[in-house]
Amino acid sequence: DSGVTQTPKHLITATGQRVTLRCSPRSGDLSVYWYQQSLDQGLQFLIHYYNGEERAKGNILERFSAQQFPDLHSELNLSSLELGDSALYFCASSVERGYTEAFFGQGTRLTVV
Amino acid sequence: ELKVEQNPLFLSMQEGKNYTIYCNYSTTSDRLYWYRQDPGKSLESLFVLLSNGAVKQEGRLMASLDTKARLSTLHITAAVHDLSATYFCAVDFFLNTGNQFYFGTGTSLTVIP
Repeated sequence: DSGVTQTPKHLITATGQRVTLRCSPRSGDLSVYWYQQSLDQGLQFLIHYYNGEERAKGNILERFSAQQFPDLHSELNLSSLELGDSALYFCASSVERGYTEAFFGQGTRLTVV
Repeated sequence: ELKVEQNPLFLSMQEGKNYTIYCNYSTTSDRLYWYRQDPGKSLESLFVLLSNGAVKQEGRLMASLDTKARLSTLHITAAVHDLSATYFCAVDFFLNTGNQFYFGTGTSLTVIP
């Protein structure tokens, strides 16, 4: 157990809908990272937050947004969902502001039908 | 263009044999990470390499980083079945717009008894 908690584990929703994925980092970790893993795109970095502030953006679609709250948990919001958004979404956390060793949650498997 | 390439993509090897997985990247970075992923599972951090010439070993796995060649290797010694998994390298690129974290395509390793 990495100490990073993601909910829900599985999510099935229809096209056009909006969902929120939640991530609780390890105790004491200030950085949260979000990734998308799909068969055709591989593992893609989406966004990084440190202590509530956005630090870096990767290949995150405009339909997607994220935030990190004062208690350091983070949420990834996915809207106007398309079939191609079906993927495994991971969050990871680390202590440092820069990317050092990060610990991954178990992921949320999103299926858009 | 920022790219991280791994080879081979698939590797089938017999128990007891040695082999090396290669990770090449396109732009200067001195931060490289190796992860392991078992089927349907999350990513487990294996090695964090933060400088040119860094070498780290854990059990039958040894990772090294040559920042001048933009190359990292993951060497497997005397493979055992438990090492069967997908291995990813990831590189932290420093850009004016912030850090961009890229994963390689992954190497699916199968160790045959």
